[in-house]
Amino acid sequence: GIQVEQSPPDLILQEGANSTLRCNFSDSVNNLQWFHQNPWGQLINLFYIPSGTKQNGRLSATTVATERYSLLYISSSQTTDSGVYFCAVLDNYGQNFVFGPGTRLSVLP
Amino acid sequence: DAGVIQSPRHEVTEMGQEVTLRCKPISGHNSLFWYRQTMMRGLELLIYFNNNVPIDDSGMPEDRFSAKMPNASFSTLKIQPSEPRDSAVYFCASLLGRNTGELFFGEGSRLTVL
Repeated sequence: GIQVEQSPPDLILQEGANSTLRCNFSDSVNNLQWFHQNPWGQLINLFYIPSGTKQNGRLSATTVATERYSLLYISSSQTTDSGVYFCAVLDNYGQNFVFGPGTRLSVLP
Repeated sequence: DAGVIQSPRHEVTEMGQEVTLRCKPISGHNSLFWYRQTMMRGLELLIYFNNNVPIDDSGMPEDRFSAKMPNASFSTLKIQPSEPRDSAVYFCASLLGRNTGELFFGEGSRLTVL
């Protein structure tokens, strides 16, 4: 089945810093999403981005489907950005969202 | 829309007891997923329904686990008998179509089996 990798596994930032999170996947996909799991455990939708670039405030994402990767950019990070960021892709049969292992982000005040 | 609604939010039970977790998907969504999250294994898909029909239950750990979707607005995940290793957060998520649109999660049900 499709494999999803994320890097880095852990990231510690000072408030105000910028960061880039990466998601690599092993096969072509037609559905890719980024989620943020906050410290309370809620899974929040960030982007639905099977291809192209989107921006939402301080966050933006780019997926290059032909090269099988997606990037999540966080600018001017805030302590509320802390948590785990997951990339998820729909497998080739359109049946299962496969999640990456996540990137754990800690933003220090 | 109220989003995906799960209940209970927290459940503590003793080994051997039956546990039933409930999910109401977003109205109009045709696909429903049950996931389990643990520190060791991350997010694992347990079962997936499309138009109320189970499509893939290969992630269901064993016969102690069962899931139903009697109608488009309700699904249950049952564990009988429960064991301590079943302790986890169980998430329900719904999707507009079989491979269309965004996956939305409920807030999860945290299960502790003593």
